[in-house]
Amino acid sequence: QITLEESGPTLVKPTQTLTLTCTFSGFSLTTTGVGVGWIRQPPRKALEWLALIYWNDDKHYSPSLKSRVTIAKDTSKNQVVLRVTNLDPVDTATYYCAHTILRGGIESWGQGALVSVSS
Amino acid sequence: DIQMTQSPSSLSASVGDRVTITCRASQGIRNDLNWYQQKPGKAPKRLIYGASSLQSGVPSRFSGTGYGTEFTLTISSLQPEDFATYYCLQHKTYPWTFGQGTKVEI
Repeated sequence: QITLEESGPTLVKPTQTLTLTCTFSGFSLTTTGVGVGWIRQPPRKALEWLALIYWNDDKHYSPSLKSRVTIAKDTSKNQVVLRVTNLDPVDTATYYCAHTILRGGIESWGQGALVSVSS
Repeated sequence: DIQMTQSPSSLSASVGDRVTITCRASQGIRNDLNWYQQKPGKAPKRLIYGASSLQSGVPSRFSGTGYGTEFTLTISSLQPEDFATYYCLQHKTYPWTFGQGTKVEI
């Protein structure tokens, strides 16, 4: 059974950096074709894809946030970390991590972590 | 970026109704499209992958069709537990993009 869990701060100040950790089980990020991605959803708005990292360390980012976002994996810990710099209140959202497969898109989701950006 | 135009943005329906939701891609995406259901306060759940393949455990009243730029999600007989918001996702080209969502209400 695949599970993913997001962890990190619930409140961050503007201009600060957000670091979120996705801890997963039920699959390995060393398996060919496997990836972990991040998606966010502002309150009462649509889903927005942010970033993705694959088993071979190939990384992809949303152009709208590319200069502020980095994704990295730690396969020994079964974790993927997302960093978003220079936060603004518009970055307030529920952040989800997700399990992906090449040509399969997003298969499974974590329960999400609400992050509020406010002074 | 590939734009995914989803329609309608919301609809009202009754239990037993047939419901159809459409996603249109701004360029061809083969069948690299998934459909997700999201209930309030919950993470999305995959219903359909590869445009028409039913996710294991998902009721057969859900079906998907389409290829290229036009895709539909159909619920053949709406059940009380189907009232939710539905999203399409194209995963052919980065950045992956979602439709704006369709809220299905009573």
